[in-house]
Order: sequence, then C-alpha cells, then structure tokens
Amino acid sequence: KAGVTQTPRYLIKTRGQQVTLSCSPISGHRSVSWYQQTPGQGLQFLFEYFSETQRNKGNFPGRFSGRQFSNSRSEMNVSTLELGDSALYLCASSLARGQIFYNEQFFGPGTRLTVL
Amino acid sequence: AQSVSQHNHHVILSEAASLELGCNYSYGGTVNLFWYVQYPGQHLQLLLKYFSGDPLVKGIKGFEAEFIKSKFSFNLRKPSVQWSDTAEYFCAVSPYNTDKLIFGTGTRLQVFP
Repeated sequence: KAGVTQTPRYLIKTRGQQVTLSCSPISGHRSVSWYQQTPGQGLQFLFEYFSETQRNKGNFPGRFSGRQFSNSRSEMNVSTLELGDSALYLCASSLARGQIFYNEQFFGPGTRLTVL
Repeated sequence: AQSVSQHNHHVILSEAASLELGCNYSYGGTVNLFWYVQYPGQHLQLLLKYFSGDPLVKGIKGFEAEFIKSKFSFNLRKPSVQWSDTAEYFCAVSPYNTDKLIFGTGTRLQVFP
C-alpha cells in the first residue's frame, strides 16, 4: 500500500505570496490532518478533516486554510506569506469508520516551505 | 490548556545502555497516547500507542511504554539501545475520538557505539 504523499516536496516563496500544498492520504483513509514543524515551536496541529469537513482547527491565523475533497485528498493554503511561515508542513492520514477515529496516523514526508 | 511535556531535550547514551524518556500530559478528558520517532532524514513513524487496556504497551524495535493515569505520564523505555536508535522521539496525546495530535517538544537521542 502506498504511503501518504505530499507535493511538492520543496517550495521557495517570497513574503506576501500565497502557497498551496497538497496531500494524498493512504488509500481507504478518510481523515487527514496537517501539522507545522519548526525548530522553535516543534510540531503544531493545524487542521483535521473528515468527509470534506473540518473537525478541528489549531491556533493559527486565518491566513492558514485548508480543504478536503470527496476522494479524501486535502490541500492547505497559506496566504500573505511571512518569514515565520518557513517550516516543514506534514500531512497525516488515518482510517476512520463513520465517526469512530482510530487515531493511528501515518505521516507523509512533508513539504519544506522556505519564505524569503 | 492541553499540553505535553518531555523533560529530556537531549539524551546521549552508549550502546547497550538503558533508556527512559519522560512524558507528562495535561488534559482533562480521555486521551489516546503515542510515541513517534523521526530518524535522520526520514518522516515521522509510529513507535507505539495506547488506546485502552493493559497500561504497559510494546512497540516496534524493543520499545515499550507505561501509561500511569494517576501521574498523567507515558514514559518510553528500552532496556538496551543501539546506535540505530539515534533519532528524535516525540510523545503525543490525542483527545478521544479525534485525530488532533498534541506533541511534546521532542527528545533528541544520540547513541554512540
């Protein structure tokens, strides 16, 4: 079974631009979550999606948004990029049966975003 | 507020030494507990998990962890580390029935031959 895939793997943007990151979950997984990893703040939760609905949102400004499609693929968007948005953005997927979540999440390799 | 504390930020051991990494969490409800590992250049992998039942859980590569509810702790142990265990280890909690993971700051483990 293929793992979680994230595209692109590396991105360089300048301040003020916007960026869209993509995540394809493991086949059959219906829940997708996003995390930001930085040396200073560690791993921080961004969003959680299930059946195209955002179930939880972390403590990030409104510039960070996401969505999930009917095939469970997910995208996240960051508008008006700031230097502090430079980070590794990780996507994780898990198998969820109805409203019961099994919480064993499988992580992708991440997208390394550098903001200049 | 929900939080996870990992008290050891950087641990240096020789091969065959025993390992214990501390993890404490703060959350008022039912949680699921995890340890993840990130080997150099690789992505996060699940080491072990606790959902319910026996509080002593065994994971991959000889790791185990014990959930002590009264102490809000989930410490990771391994009796004898190997050079290949060099990695960063993250403790995480997830409120029951969500996929939201709250991570600790991580512990960097270096094992020397």
